[in-house]
Amino acid sequence: DSGVTQTPKHLITATGQRVTLRCSPRSGDLSVYWYQQSLDQGLQFLIHYYNGEERAKGNILERFSAQQFPDLHSELNLSSLELGDSALYFCASSARGPSTDTQYFGPGTRLTVL
Amino acid sequence: AQKITQTQPGMFVQEKEAVTLDCTYDTSDPSYGLFWYKQPSSGEMIFLIYQGSYDQQNATEGRYSLNFQKARKSANLVISASQLGDSAMYFCAMREGKTGANNLFFGTGTRLTVIP
Repeated sequence: DSGVTQTPKHLITATGQRVTLRCSPRSGDLSVYWYQQSLDQGLQFLIHYYNGEERAKGNILERFSAQQFPDLHSELNLSSLELGDSALYFCASSARGPSTDTQYFGPGTRLTVL
Repeated sequence: AQKITQTQPGMFVQEKEAVTLDCTYDTSDPSYGLFWYKQPSSGEMIFLIYQGSYDQQNATEGRYSLNFQKARKSANLVISASQLGDSAMYFCAMREGKTGANNLFFGTGTRLTVIP
């Protein structure tokens, strides 16, 4: 158990809908990262938050947004869902932002868009 | 260009034998970190081992060791005394030090199957 929690574990929804994925980092970790794992794109970095502030963006679609709250948990919002958004979404946390700290991953949320 | 290349889509190893999973990387940043993660069929990503670009010695964590050859830009994972529970996908990843970015770039993974 990495100490990172993600809810829900599975999510099934329809095209055009909006969903919210939630992540709680390890106790004391200030950084939260979101990654998408799909069959065609592999593991891709989406976005990084450090202590409530956005630090870096990767291949995140405009339909996707995220935030990190004062209690350090983070939410990833996916809207106008398409079939191609079906993937495993991981949250990871590390102790500090611009450092060499290891990222510990949560169990992931498997999103299926029908 | 791919930042992380894993050329072995699948590997087989006999139980109790050692196996090497290959990883090459591409970066012009002098400061970087290399990671290996294990993803069992249940889906979670488990951190295995880390090697920093300035580390003089190869990293080791229990049965895992990282064969770091900086000039060749390779960071192969060696698993000794393979166990059935080692059957999983293994991902090599890199973090670059420039601009303070800390996100990981992942390879395509190697599926390891341990044969009893």
